[in-house]
This record gives sequence, C-alpha cells and structure tokens, in this order.
Amino acid sequence: GESVGLHLPTLSVQEGDNSIINCAYSNSASDYFIWYKQESGKGPQFIIDIRSNMDKRQGQRVTVLLNKTVKHLSLQIAATQPGDSAVYFCAENAGGTSYGKLTFGQGTILTVHP
Amino acid sequence: EADIYQTPRYLVIGTGKKITLECSQTMGHDKMYWYQQDPGMELHLIHYSYGVNSTEKGDLSSESTVSRIRTEHFPLTLESARPSHTSQYLCASGAGLTYQETQYFGPGTRLLVL
Repeated sequence: GESVGLHLPTLSVQEGDNSIINCAYSNSASDYFIWYKQESGKGPQFIIDIRSNMDKRQGQRVTVLLNKTVKHLSLQIAATQPGDSAVYFCAENAGGTSYGKLTFGQGTILTVHP
Repeated sequence: EADIYQTPRYLVIGTGKKITLECSQTMGHDKMYWYQQDPGMELHLIHYSYGVNSTEKGDLSSESTVSRIRTEHFPLTLESARPSHTSQYLCASGAGLTYQETQYFGPGTRLLVL
C-alpha cells in the first residue's frame, strides 16, 4: 500500500563533482549485483553490473566496487551531471533457489546542483 | 533501450473493480517479473515467470494474480481493487540464459484505488 513521505538516504553534489553511492547487502550467498537508476515517473534503468569473482568494474563515467568481506557495494559516478539526478538502487541475486530473482536495496536519492 | 511496455501508465479506479495491468516485451525473453513499489521505497517482487505456463509468487505477498500464455505477454490482474493496492507496479523481463543477468524494466503503472 501507499507510504507517506520519503525514507531514502540522500546525496547532494555540485555538478562536476564525483559521487559515491553506497549499498550494504545481507545475503553472503549473493554473487551477482546490479546498479539501477530510476528517474521520476520511470522504471529502473540498468547502469552496471558485477559478479562476485570481481571487485571492480568500470563503465562510462561509472565504477562499481564490491567488497565481499564486509558485504558492501558502491557506485562511483565521475563528473556528475544534472542528468544524473535520480534514485539509485542496488540489487543482488543469490542464484540457487533464488534463481533469476533480484532483491533490491533501499535506494539513494542523488541530487546534482548546477 | 529495452523494449518492454506497460499499459495503462496511470489508473484511477474505485474500490471493488476488477483491473488488469498489461505488460509486453518484444525481446523474446523467457523470464518476466512483476514488482510493487511504493513512493520513495524499494522494489518488492510479487510475481515471476520462467516461461509460458509458468508462474510463481514472489517474496511479497500480493492479492493479484498473473498469467503467462504467450512469451511476450505477462498481465497482472486484481479481481477486486482496494485502497491498499494503491502503488506503482513495475514489469521486467530477462533473457534467462543464466541467473546472473540483468532485468529490463518497463515504465510502470501507477495505480490509485479510491
């Protein structure tokens, strides 16, 4: 049902700065992770993914870091632009009986000021 | 850009009405998913399908039902809408070749039950 108000962490940056968005996951069996960007009124959009046999993966202006020891994932956005303003979700998949099913994290609101 | 479509985009309906939310994809993906998302909150899986005639309930209990008669089509039905069903419903699909795969999302349907 409907919830009142926003409960998400927020990050405000200036245009051109680098942004770091963090995500803690709980399932130690998770071995595939995805970052999604969701703009207002739209569905989540794939940004980058990483498998557990890697600790870093780079895309265009984005880098994902995975620390399996502490079950932590981060998304780094270089030279952040106003168009990067959105809610960012991490998602994990554990395989096995969770085959193909993603579990989403809480999300972080990124606001980029011109 | 993923070719996954949802209709209607917005729906306002009275309590007790039957509604069907449509989802279709043109990518030939075997796996399809329905998520429920309240404003400012994370996504919760309510239904999924691994192929034609396959449907499973997700992690979040839902009074809705789904069907998968054709690969490209995965409609969600509420037999009797209630205000507690007010939410955003997101459909997604994935190729299903391995469990380590991204899911592509549609734009979502915002449902308001009065």
